[in-house]
Amino acid sequence: DAKTTQPNSMESNEEEPVHLPCNHSTISGTDYIHWYRQLPSQGPEYVIHGLTSNVNNRMASLAIAEDRKSSTLILHRATLRDAAVYYCILRAQTGANNLFFGTGTRLTVIP
Amino acid sequence: GAVVSQHPSWVICKSGTSVKIECRSLDFQATTMFWYRQFPKQSLMLMATSNEGSKATYEQGVEKDKFLINHASLTLSTLTVTSAHPEDSSFYICSAPKIGSGSYEQYFGPGTRLTVT
Repeated sequence: DAKTTQPNSMESNEEEPVHLPCNHSTISGTDYIHWYRQLPSQGPEYVIHGLTSNVNNRMASLAIAEDRKSSTLILHRATLRDAAVYYCILRAQTGANNLFFGTGTRLTVIP
Repeated sequence: GAVVSQHPSWVICKSGTSVKIECRSLDFQATTMFWYRQFPKQSLMLMATSNEGSKATYEQGVEKDKFLINHASLTLSTLTVTSAHPEDSSFYICSAPKIGSGSYEQYFGPGTRLTVT
């Protein structure tokens, strides 16, 4: 699986938008971009995924660069419950379903 | 969404003993489940892929004789840490992709914290 690069940590004020970047310059044409987050002492949970087009769901939005070498997870209004480690993961369209986690971005939300 | 449970949520055992951790998909079937290990302040490391009705596939560096995996049904995978030592103390997490979801979304269990004394 191709490698992703994320900042180690970010801070946001409560109720403000948060943009979490991810670089994946070696992404292949068939790799999906997945985002998971892990709250303290819990297993990760799925946030969103996309291939080429921007995606929205109830949790977040995913903005994918035109060349697909980077993406940004957008939390529209950060809450204290959004404090977690956010992982950007590339997953091949075919093949095994296993996920390889990088170091992720630890998001701190300031009240 | 789909639910994956783990049992126990935490366990303390003595060095040299074995510990079994269960991973269940509660409302869907999973022919494949994954086991991860996470040390404090670190990311998740994939240990092995559990396959229903066949042998597990282990990642490089993971001792298959120490971490025994059994996937006896479409809803249950177990990880047994044999002859546990303090260095095996970690947070063990399982996950399962939901068959037919098409999106390869994985559902993770809440994790099992193992402490070996």
